[in-house]
Amino acid sequence: QQQVKQSPQSLIVQKGGISIINCAYENTAFDYFPWYQQFPGKGPALLIAIRPDVSEKKEGRFTISFNKSAKQFSLHIMDSQPGDSATYFCAASISNQFYFGTGTSLTVIP
Amino acid sequence: NAGVTQTPKFQVLKTGQSMTLQCAQDMNHNSMYWYRQDPGMGLRLIYYSASEGTTDKGEVPNGYNVSRLNKREFSLRLESAAPSQTSVYFCASSEERVGGQPQHFGDGTRLSIL
Repeated sequence: QQQVKQSPQSLIVQKGGISIINCAYENTAFDYFPWYQQFPGKGPALLIAIRPDVSEKKEGRFTISFNKSAKQFSLHIMDSQPGDSATYFCAASISNQFYFGTGTSLTVIP
Repeated sequence: NAGVTQTPKFQVLKTGQSMTLQCAQDMNHNSMYWYRQDPGMGLRLIYYSASEGTTDKGEVPNGYNVSRLNKREFSLRLESAAPSQTSVYFCASSEERVGGQPQHFGDGTRLSIL
């Protein structure tokens, strides 16, 4: 059973648009929710993370929205740029055990 | 500041051959992990090590063995490679702290089994 479900699998957005990637989880004991960005040929790199005691976290153009009651969280990329084209993974963690979503391939068209 | 270093970057093996993937981190992290990444399946945990001298199975451990040589190094061994083990393998490390800490990943080893 997949602990973290991610959608969509792929996403195409125009430059300047908003990219939205959604994740849902089952285990209410998860206490840390990171998002990773991965470029071709590279390992995933931490983009932004949130803990369940807050509903939103913003860092520059990247925002995590967290809905504890619905067990859902999402990544919003404002003013999307071609350089944001990458694969994005959500994850949920408890006791240093990480469970990853299946990834979203984002393409930002100039 | 290297972070997590994986060697080799690429490898081609024949079915039945063995090899060891190496991983080292210079961040003094206690926890280290081995994942495989396959298209459409995200990252799946093979083994992890919460501290030097301890290892535990993850979601997909069959066909693999690991060694936590010291605090810095965590190796993954394929004893008898199979085509189903063709994948990209990532090593990661993290601190162990209440409330979670991010993992730091290497750039992966791309392994093909013929």
